[in-house]
Amino acid sequence: NAGVTQTPKFQVLKTGQSMTLQCAQDMNHEYMSWYRQDPGMGLRLIHYSVGAGITDQGEVPNGYNVSRSTTEDFPLRLLSAAPSQTSVYFCASSYGPPSSGNTIYFGEGSWLTVV
Amino acid sequence: GEDVEQSLFLSVREGDSSVINCTYTDSSSTYLYWYKQEPGAGLQLLTYIFSNMDMKQDQRLTVLLNKKDKHLSLRIADTQTGDSAIYFCAEGLTGGGNKLTFGTGTQLKVEL
Repeated sequence: NAGVTQTPKFQVLKTGQSMTLQCAQDMNHEYMSWYRQDPGMGLRLIHYSVGAGITDQGEVPNGYNVSRSTTEDFPLRLLSAAPSQTSVYFCASSYGPPSSGNTIYFGEGSWLTVV
Repeated sequence: GEDVEQSLFLSVREGDSSVINCTYTDSSSTYLYWYKQEPGAGLQLLTYIFSNMDMKQDQRLTVLLNKKDKHLSLRIADTQTGDSAIYFCAEGLTGGGNKLTFGTGTQLKVEL
């Protein structure tokens, strides 16, 4: 049981480049989400999905796209990278919503630097 | 609105108790969580409390919830050097979606 797997762990991009952060979970969780972590700001929700084919915006969605074609995968796409997107990105999944006390499992993070 | 606040740093001596505090503003939260993040790692769920509870104890961890004041605390008894990490409180809000609102995190440093 691998849990939540994120790749790559580290990435350096040039301004304007695009890339995709991959996230996969093998727990058959319906709920998946992407957060970014910045110093002194905690984690902020970028996008989330409540099941295959369903996605919605979180607190800071601009500059990011997501899709959920399968239950297992929830990739995050940076369309045109900007220095403001330098951050640590975490993918998370859970069986149900946090409002019901479901345990949320986090990936180990992806460190992204945009130069 | 949703706002969760924590103090940024806490330093304690090994063997002492640590108390990490958190305040939140949204009264519709149903569950409140404490997560631990060690350097270079993801977040690990430590414990959570349902919003109609006042206290929850789990081994060295005690969570206190004052719903009237919207104040949450995490007490770590007999703090060890391995407890050094960043601790995040988070609230789960009604309305569905994988939504947690996180605090800014408190960096706990345990000194010998």
